[in-house]
Amino acid sequence: RKEVEQDPGPFNVPEGATVAFNCTYSNSASQSFFWYRQDCRKEPKLLMSVYSSGNEDGRFTAQLNRASQYISLLIRDSKLSDSATYLCVVTRYLWRDDKIIFGKGTRLHILP
Amino acid sequence: NAGVTQTPKFRVLKTGQSMTLLCAQDMNHEYMYWYRQDPGMGLRLIHYSVGEGTTAKGEVPDGYNVSRLKKQNFLLGLESAAPSQTSVYFCASSTRQGFYEQYFGPGTRLTVT
Repeated sequence: RKEVEQDPGPFNVPEGATVAFNCTYSNSASQSFFWYRQDCRKEPKLLMSVYSSGNEDGRFTAQLNRASQYISLLIRDSKLSDSATYLCVVTRYLWRDDKIIFGKGTRLHILP
Repeated sequence: NAGVTQTPKFRVLKTGQSMTLLCAQDMNHEYMYWYRQDPGMGLRLIHYSVGEGTTAKGEVPDGYNVSRLKKQNFLLGLESAAPSQTSVYFCASSTRQGFYEQYFGPGTRLTVT
């Protein structure tokens, strides 16, 4: 089983709609969680952190469910500019072996 | 601040040729990384460095070598290019404490024919 798994999509969503996607992780020792965004033919960039208590940044809400080992990203009132690939990221902190694992990404297309 | 820069942006190599990709960062970050990204495979870590003069293998190190002689530069070398090394190569850097927030360069698109 892959350590971080995401539905590759694409999710085709009309502008203004709400869309959500999940990411599952297999290692219960995973400690921190993040969403990165990657635009077509561009580099990945950190979008937001994910906390158990939830994290909201404007139209974006990220949530962590440790019991079921998944994180989610919700985008409300989607814009054309939200079209991108969203990478789930999981980290572990071990002495001299900090590790970051990127998911393969979920592609999102916002339709006009 | 330029952030993380990579040269070249594009390159076409013939099988067996060698080349070096250069990554430079001006944020005084301790950690630097080289990834490759292929369709359907996501980002895969090739090599990384936790400080000047140190390097370590990542997930897919075979066929690549790296060097970090200066804190701001991280070089990726392909000794004898193969078609399987056709990919987009990203360099990234981060602080040690905030290693989860990686700053990526714009990428190098390499084609090996």
